[in-house]
Amino acid sequence: GQQLNQSPQSMFIQEGEDVSMNCTSSSIFNTWLWYKQDPGEGPVLLIALYKAGELTSNGRLTAQFGITRKDSFLNISASIPSDVGIYFCAGVHGSSNTGKLIFGQGTTLQVKP
Amino acid sequence: ETGVTQTPRHLVMGMTNKKSLKCEQHLGHNAMYWYKQSAKKPLELMFVYSLEERVENNSVPSRFSPECPNSSHLFLHLHTLQPEDSALYLCASSRMRDNSPLHFGNGTRLTVT
Repeated sequence: GQQLNQSPQSMFIQEGEDVSMNCTSSSIFNTWLWYKQDPGEGPVLLIALYKAGELTSNGRLTAQFGITRKDSFLNISASIPSDVGIYFCAGVHGSSNTGKLIFGQGTTLQVKP
Repeated sequence: ETGVTQTPRHLVMGMTNKKSLKCEQHLGHNAMYWYKQSAKKPLELMFVYSLEERVENNSVPSRFSPECPNSSHLFLHLHTLQPEDSALYLCASSRMRDNSPLHFGNGTRLTVT
């Protein structure tokens, strides 16, 4: 079945550093989404991307929809302790009208003050 | 408040018990979803309801039985579960047909003993 390969699986960084994570697939996606999940809570949408090549920012977060439509990356600039959590990429394959999202395995981010 | 409310937040049940998980969305969406989140695995889609009609069932065992009485409420009825069913069960909602992002609740942490 369709799979998303998300990397890295985990990161341990110093406060103030920039972070980059990405997702790749062998299939084409029409939508890329990035979510963050804090402990004990559900995933919260950070950024949604709908067009190949699209670059979108949300505060210190920037995400891009790869031009091949098979990948996406998320950057976090000047990390702070509250950035700690698990970041998930998710994609919608084709023009699914059931909203069938395929999720990556997540990137666990830890920030050292 | 997330807009998607799940109860209970935590549930411990024996393998012979019957219990139900409840989800309510206040976002005016017309699609609702159940996901299972296990440690070190991607989120697994279980069921999708669109306009109260089940449109997807991802080969989920019959010991999980969903119910969607209206577009704002979704239930997951549980009976004779197995210990490997212990996980975080996440409900989500969205608008249909435009690849709109999913909005998640905070989940029910289920432990089967």
